Amino acid sequence: AQTVTQSQPEMSVQEAETVTLSCTYDTSESDYYLFWYKQPPSRQMILVIRQEAYKQQNATENRFSVNFQKAAKSFSLKISDSQLGDAAMYFCAYRGGLTGTASKLTFGTGTRLQVTL
Amino acid sequence: GAVVSQHPSWVICKSGTSVKIECRSLDFQATTMFWYRQFPKQSLMLMATSNEGSKATYEQGVEKDKFLINHASLTLSTLTVTSAHPEDSSFYICSAGRGDQPQHFGDGTRLSIL
Repeated sequence: AQTVTQSQPEMSVQEAETVTLSCTYDTSESDYYLFWYKQPPSRQMILVIRQEAYKQQNATENRFSVNFQKAAKSFSLKISDSQLGDAAMYFCAYRGGLTGTASKLTFGTGTRLQVTL
Repeated sequence: GAVVSQHPSWVICKSGTSVKIECRSLDFQATTMFWYRQFPKQSLMLMATSNEGSKATYEQGVEKDKFLINHASLTLSTLTVTSAHPEDSSFYICSAGRGDQPQHFGDGTRLSIL
């Protein structure tokens, strides 16, 4: 079974600074997808960024980027120029890569990010 | 982007009653819908996977007779919590998926059983 581990229950960053959230996973599959989701106090799940395991290039979305290390099974999220609106719970998630099939997500335990002035 | 509507957003009911939660994909046909449960300050735990027109697949430890899932069409799945008790109080979230596309989440339902 796949597992996702987020070892940082809480992180804090000052506005405009950069923060990195850690995530490791365990799988025996070679093809899969990795995600970072943001859950603000409203509890809505918002997709932040997605990475396909077969792609060597790290995904980026504006101020959000990942460091994907497939051999190390590591998938960290970097948030640059942090904003107050970035404060939320962040979940790392894994999805098996059966092509054409909507497969289930396995979530990590989450990291609560605080953004301070 | 794709929109998934979940209703109701908050429900309070008496112990022993049944509660139905709806999950609709508004602008795409979802071959698969997922139901998650989230306790306060915890992660999302998958309860079941629902494919249109077939029986749901439940995760280990989830009572299928307690949590009835119906996925009658490509745009609608329902979760019915039968004979609800206070321990069933939680936040329930659905998501809808199709092929390799990322899942899209509903806004969740806060269920409180008195």
